[in-house]
Amino acid sequence: DIQMTQSPSSLSASVGDRVTITCRASQIISIYLNWYQQKPGKAPKLLIYAASRLQSGVPSRFSGSGSGTYFTLTISSLQPEDFATYYCHQTYNTPGGTFGQGTKVDIK
Amino acid sequence: EVQLVESGGDLVQPGRSLRLSCAASGFSLDDYALHWVRQAPGKGLEWVSGISWDSGSIAYLDSVRGRFTVSRDNARKSLYLQMNSLRLEDTAFYYCAKGSSMSITNVLEYFDNWGQGTLVTVSS
Repeated sequence: DIQMTQSPSSLSASVGDRVTITCRASQIISIYLNWYQQKPGKAPKLLIYAASRLQSGVPSRFSGSGSGTYFTLTISSLQPEDFATYYCHQTYNTPGGTFGQGTKVDIK
Repeated sequence: EVQLVESGGDLVQPGRSLRLSCAASGFSLDDYALHWVRQAPGKGLEWVSGISWDSGSIAYLDSVRGRFTVSRDNARKSLYLQMNSLRLEDTAFYYCAKGSSMSITNVLEYFDNWGQGTLVTVSS
């Protein structure tokens, strides 16, 4: 099985900060990596697919990069509505793939 | 607008059964695979099962294989998860998610729409 490790597990940031979350795969997964945002009590929401492709309707302050085993999700200027938990998700090993453990972004 | 609405979650004793449903609208069900993803309270996401557009390909998480059965009825625009021999560790919110393609083995797969989830609690 492919293991996905996110870092950090949590972070505190201020509105306007640039935030970067990393996700490492235990083996090469090419670009088959997605990112989701989840707010408390809500379903996950797709942000980025295929490592760097922005899902329709997602603000451009969100971006993704990486390939192989190392990936990043960057929020260029953190907004109040961005405080949430973020999950990476590999689909190189389908069906279903595996998720990272999550990174919680809260207010400093 | 794509909508997925789960139902059927409940409090059940270990060893009992439960059937979850997911009602879909706003898209052509025939064109997409569907998945179940669960989340134990306060924990991360875990893919549980997937079914291709025509039910020709079905897959399960190892820990539920042989106990859970996924099915779909495109005419009724519905997805189902029959859960038998439930265990304490099956306690979770269960989300229905729409795949990005017809197949469950597409490496470019992603889950672009999710339901609000239904809570399954297994406890004696």
